Amino acid sequence: NAGVTQTPKFRVLKTGQSMTLLCAQDMNHEYMYWYRQDPGMGLRLIHYSVGEGTTAKGEVPDGYNVSRLKKQNFLLGLESAAPSQTSVYFCASQTRTFVGGYTFGSGTRLTVV
Amino acid sequence: KQEVTQIPAALSVPEGENLVLNCSFTDSAIYNLQWFRQDPGKGLTSLLLIQSSQREQTSGRLNASLDKSSGRSTLYIAASQPGDSATYLCAVTGSAGGTSYGKLTFGQGTILTVHP
Repeated sequence: NAGVTQTPKFRVLKTGQSMTLLCAQDMNHEYMYWYRQDPGMGLRLIHYSVGEGTTAKGEVPDGYNVSRLKKQNFLLGLESAAPSQTSVYFCASQTRTFVGGYTFGSGTRLTVV
Repeated sequence: KQEVTQIPAALSVPEGENLVLNCSFTDSAIYNLQWFRQDPGKGLTSLLLIQSSQREQTSGRLNASLDKSSGRSTLYIAASQPGDSATYLCAVTGSAGGTSYGKLTFGQGTILTVHP
């Protein structure tokens, strides 16, 4: 039972480089989310998706783009990385009925130098 | 906008003590409330989920209560152990009619240290 899988687990980028974080879930959940966690700021919602082909902005969307081409995958892109995007990124998924709790991935630790 | 507050921010107790962590939220339009545990450098582990229609949930030495009308939840840990040391996060899912529909809003967490 894989649940929510995030790749990569660690990454170091240079300022201005681009990258894509992949989140995959095998629970047939409709809703998927990307959060970032920073010391003193807690977990903040970046973008989310309520279904295949749909995305929406969260609390801190600037500098990020997302895509949900398949129900099981939610991609987070950084087009031009900045040091302020150094953070730990978590993906989560949930059913549209919210009956069960959220399931989180193990996180991606990103450093932008 | 939903806001979640956790008190205390940090707690240090000797092994064996019973303890209570507090969580409050501003918008009572929620589907559920979830308590998570996070160890340093690790991901989030779900501990307990309380639906909005429920008053409490129990799992082993953990008991969580929910008073939706007053916007409060408590996590009770019985007979604490050093292995309980971690950050405990409270989060609520906004329901329809509220300010944060479908979104999970987190508190800042309580850092718990249980010393032998």
